[in-house]
Amino acid sequence: EVQLLESGGGLVQPGGSLRLSCAASGITFSNYAMSWVRQAPGKGLEWVSAISGSGGSTYYADSVKGRFTVSRDNPKNTLYLQMNSLRADDTAVYYCANWALLRGVPTPRLDFWGQGTLVTVSS
Amino acid sequence: IVMTQSPATLSVSPGERATLSCRAGQSVGSNLAWYQQKPGQAPRLLISGASTRATGIPVRFSGSGSGTEFTLTISGLQSEDFAVYYCQQYDNWPPLTFGGGTKVEIK
Repeated sequence: EVQLLESGGGLVQPGGSLRLSCAASGITFSNYAMSWVRQAPGKGLEWVSAISGSGGSTYYADSVKGRFTVSRDNPKNTLYLQMNSLRADDTAVYYCANWALLRGVPTPRLDFWGQGTLVTVSS
Repeated sequence: IVMTQSPATLSVSPGERATLSCRAGQSVGSNLAWYQQKPGQAPRLLISGASTRATGIPVRFSGSGSGTEFTLTISGLQSEDFAVYYCQQYDNWPPLTFGGGTKVEIK
């Protein structure tokens, strides 16, 4: 059974930093690309970032480019999101999710999701 | 690619059929997924490849369409189906893009 468990959320002041973690189990973690997706209170889903299985390729939404950094530690089966220069509009529940592997090809269909961690940016 | 879902809210009686629409701003082929999200829960994959149910998803959920027009049909709505549904394209990325969601509520 695939399990993804996010942690690291909390209350932070505008301009501050936070690092989110996502611990994975039930999959061969290094085989899977991963994404972060966020959801502002009462709003829809917004893709934030993605990283390849090896960690060699990373992708970002324009709204977070230059402020957020995605990384992974495959021996620890853990995904990270370093968030700097946080703004009020970054307030959201942040989910990690794994991509599909279709005939060995990473495909950005989000098969399993964690329960999310809430980030609140406020003074 | 902009994804547009309609309607924003759909009121349906239990046992009836719900038809949800998703339109892509340009062709995404069949690279379209549907997710279900219940209050306080993470999204769950329902459909991928526009029409393939994910493991464990009941047969009352069906997806159709290709290119720019897609439909999610829920036949014989059950109480546990009242939720918000999102479509997502994975044909042309980054960015991955989601529709704004359709809330299926009890009539």
